Amino acid sequence: DAGVIQSPRHEVTEMGQEVTLRCKPISGHNSLFWYRQTMMRGLELLIYFNNNVPIDDSGMPEDRFSAKMPNASFSTLKIQPSEPRDSAVYFCASSLMWSSYEQYFGPGTRLTVT
Amino acid sequence: GQQLNQSPQSMFIQEGEDVSMNCTSSSIFNTWLWYKQEPGEGPVLLIALYKAGELTSNGRLTAQFGITRKDSFLNISASIPSDVGIYFCAGQPSPPLANKLIFGTGTLLAVQP
Repeated sequence: DAGVIQSPRHEVTEMGQEVTLRCKPISGHNSLFWYRQTMMRGLELLIYFNNNVPIDDSGMPEDRFSAKMPNASFSTLKIQPSEPRDSAVYFCASSLMWSSYEQYFGPGTRLTVT
Repeated sequence: GQQLNQSPQSMFIQEGEDVSMNCTSSSIFNTWLWYKQEPGEGPVLLIALYKAGELTSNGRLTAQFGITRKDSFLNISASIPSDVGIYFCAGQPSPPLANKLIFGTGTLLAVQP
């Protein structure tokens, strides 16, 4: 079975541009998590969804960040406008809610904002 | 907020040596998970623990859920170069934070052939 799929793997953009990161969770999983990883702050949870509904977005740093999950097999994380301090690796993870707390991560998107 | 203290921060060892790392919390956890992250990749789940005192192995890896429910340990026996990476502990505290996990800060493991 395919794991969590993220695209693009790498994104380089200029400050002020809109960035959209995409995620396809493992088929059958009903919880989806967006994380950001930096050397300074480690792995931070930005937002998570249960059954396509956002449950906790307290980790979203600013209004410039938004996330959607229009259906069970697709989610996006958008940054508009992007800033250099948004440069990080963004991970998507999925799990089977109420079955276990095991989260399975995608390969990540490395974002560089110049 | 709740934090997990992971130690050591880094380890530099020779191939063939055994490795031990641990994760501690000031509060009780219901679940402990151990992940490994290699450069340029996402964290990969190694072992999941669900009961206090539980000891689980995955090849050369062995992890234990501490009896106090406030700590967990990961051991790697006879290390090899491909064990290189960052090892993260993660836990589900009690009472649960819905299905969110708390992650440790990671242990960087370097293995010299």
